[in-house]
Amino acid sequence: SQTIHQWPATLVQPVGSPLSLECTVEGTSNPNLYWYRQAAGRGLQLLFYSVGIGQISSEVPQNLSASRPQDRQFILSSKKLLLSDSGFYLCAWSRDTEAFFGQGTRLTVV
Amino acid sequence: GENVEQHPSTLSVQEGDSAVIKCTYSDSASNYFPWYKQELGKRPQLIIDIRSNVGEKKDQRIAVTLNKTAKHFSLHITETQPEDSAVYFCAAQYTGGFKTIFGAGTRLFVKA
Repeated sequence: SQTIHQWPATLVQPVGSPLSLECTVEGTSNPNLYWYRQAAGRGLQLLFYSVGIGQISSEVPQNLSASRPQDRQFILSSKKLLLSDSGFYLCAWSRDTEAFFGQGTRLTVV
Repeated sequence: GENVEQHPSTLSVQEGDSAVIKCTYSDSASNYFPWYKQELGKRPQLIIDIRSNVGEKKDQRIAVTLNKTAKHFSLHITETQPEDSAVYFCAAQYTGGFKTIFGAGTRLFVKA
């Protein structure tokens, strides 16, 4: 069966510090991978998606970037965090329809 | 661009009553409409979905309806229970593409 791992679960970072969130998927190959952000009391905003190694599509201009160095690994990064980057970040994978989410990372930028 | 509007943002019902959440989508190419439930502090999980060639689908106490002409789809929960309390997200997707666009979510409170 397929599983998705996302870490860390919580993170408190100072403004201006770098960020690296990692997501890995097991039990499937060539998945579509996604990063979403969920701000407090708001919906799921699609940040990035990837349909293959090295293929990244960005949905919104922002302070973040994504990379897919391996087929089942998706990384969300920032060189310098802003206060507005705080939120709940969710990684997800899908084959065609249903999306399967990781446990999420609650990021607080202070 | 693609957009999914979801209403209401908050819904409070008495246990046993019905709850209805409505969504509209903008991309006429969308042909897959999932609904996700997110309990507090947990990840969203699929609870029901409907494809564009179907007008209605039911699974026990939950049902979804789709009006493709009007680009509306709705989630209906009957005989609500306290454990139905959660945030519900509708979404729209074109299965030939890769993006799922989510609504802003509805926070459902079921009062015992």
